[in-house]
Amino acid sequence: QKEVEQNSGPLSVPEGAIASLNCTYSDRGSQSFFWYRQYSGKSPELIMFIYSNGDKEDGRFTAQLNKASQYVSLLIRDSQPSDSATYLCAVNRGSTLGRLYFGRGTQLTVWP
Amino acid sequence: DAGVTQSPTHLIKTRGQQVTLRCSPISGHKSVSWYQQVLGQGPQFIFQYYEKEERGRGNFPDRFSARQFPNYSSELNVNALLLGDSALYLCASSLAQGVNGYTFGSGTRLTVV
Repeated sequence: QKEVEQNSGPLSVPEGAIASLNCTYSDRGSQSFFWYRQYSGKSPELIMFIYSNGDKEDGRFTAQLNKASQYVSLLIRDSQPSDSATYLCAVNRGSTLGRLYFGRGTQLTVWP
Repeated sequence: DAGVTQSPTHLIKTRGQQVTLRCSPISGHKSVSWYQQVLGQGPQFIFQYYEKEERGRGNFPDRFSARQFPNYSSELNVNALLLGDSALYLCASSLAQGVNGYTFGSGTRLTVV
């Protein structure tokens, strides 16, 4: 079982819709969870991080964490064509603090 | 403020050669990590340095080595290059050990021919 799994997609949504990106992780000792956005040919850019169960909102982005289900998600409201990118879920385990475990990423396309 | 800077941006090497990649973290950041990203995959952890000490090593062969200097900049060395080493090499820095996430540099694209 992989440390971090994401739906590889691709995910395609119309402009203005809500895009939902999902991620599961295997280690119950995981402490912090990150969403990175990566445009084609560029490096990952941190969008949000979350530590506690529940929701965390930042503008059009909402991260949701459910530690009991070992599940983290990212919602993008009012999706824009500029949101088209690959979204990477990353997990920081307590036993190896400082090391991020990444999923393969979900490719999102927002069409006008 | 300058972000994480990496050099060179692109590099082409021949199998068997050696390569050194360089990284300067954000000012004040003491933790530097290196990741390898091959096309279609998420970044894979190679090394982490914090306060100039190696704090973690990923599942990479001994051909990969790294170090962190007193000014917190870092180098990644890869010896005896293989075709499979072709990838985007990413450096990331953080204040502590990535508790609030890492900021990535723009990466070095290494092509081994």
